[in-house]
Amino acid sequence: EAQVTQNPRYLITVTGKKLTVTCSQNMNHEYMSWYRQDPGLGLRQIYYSMNVEVTDKGDVPEGYKVSRKEKRNFPLILESPSPNQTSLYFCASRALGSNQPQHFGDGTRLSIL
Amino acid sequence: GDSVTQMEGPVTLSEEACLTINCTYTATGYPSLFWYVQYPGEGLQLLLKATKADDKGSNKGFEATYRKETTSFHLEKGSVQVSDSAVYFCALSLSNQFYFGTGTSLTVIP
Repeated sequence: EAQVTQNPRYLITVTGKKLTVTCSQNMNHEYMSWYRQDPGLGLRQIYYSMNVEVTDKGDVPEGYKVSRKEKRNFPLILESPSPNQTSLYFCASRALGSNQPQHFGDGTRLSIL
Repeated sequence: GDSVTQMEGPVTLSEEACLTINCTYTATGYPSLFWYVQYPGEGLQLLLKATKADDKGSNKGFEATYRKETTSFHLEKGSVQVSDSAVYFCALSLSNQFYFGTGTSLTVIP
């Protein structure tokens, strides 16, 4: 089954404790991205990657890092999480081409205390 | 810049009512347009898409027509069901970038 898998689904942690949210896709997609979803703000892109070893900032990259060492994986790293990063996070992937839809994971709800 | 503006919610309808959720876009080129649906506790799922002017996307009784002259892609359904309660996102794709609207929450009551 074609899917984007994120882990963990839920995480409560404390300020300053480094965390990683993993994302993996099995569709051989070149393009992967991370979004955060906040009430009233919709989806905002954090980082995206158009291929292995190629990453770019989205609209709200501050406080986040990503890496793309393999085509299928695109982890999101919070080196020193802060309460304003409490949010619902989605990973997505797509084939290249503007007419290709994005496929989303089920989301990761992060709470930073 | 490129962007999507969609109707603010929340929207509450009775079962079997007609639905329209407005979406307009601004784009420097010729985007592809999408509607996504997000059910409670889940990720976004593609509902329908249209890739060029006058294309009509349809799925599960929902329809949207790509109108270049009005830069719109309104979502419509003739008779909504309780199971259609969700958040709906309009999106455009251009030059490998995706832009989402802020989402419209729909609640359908029996």
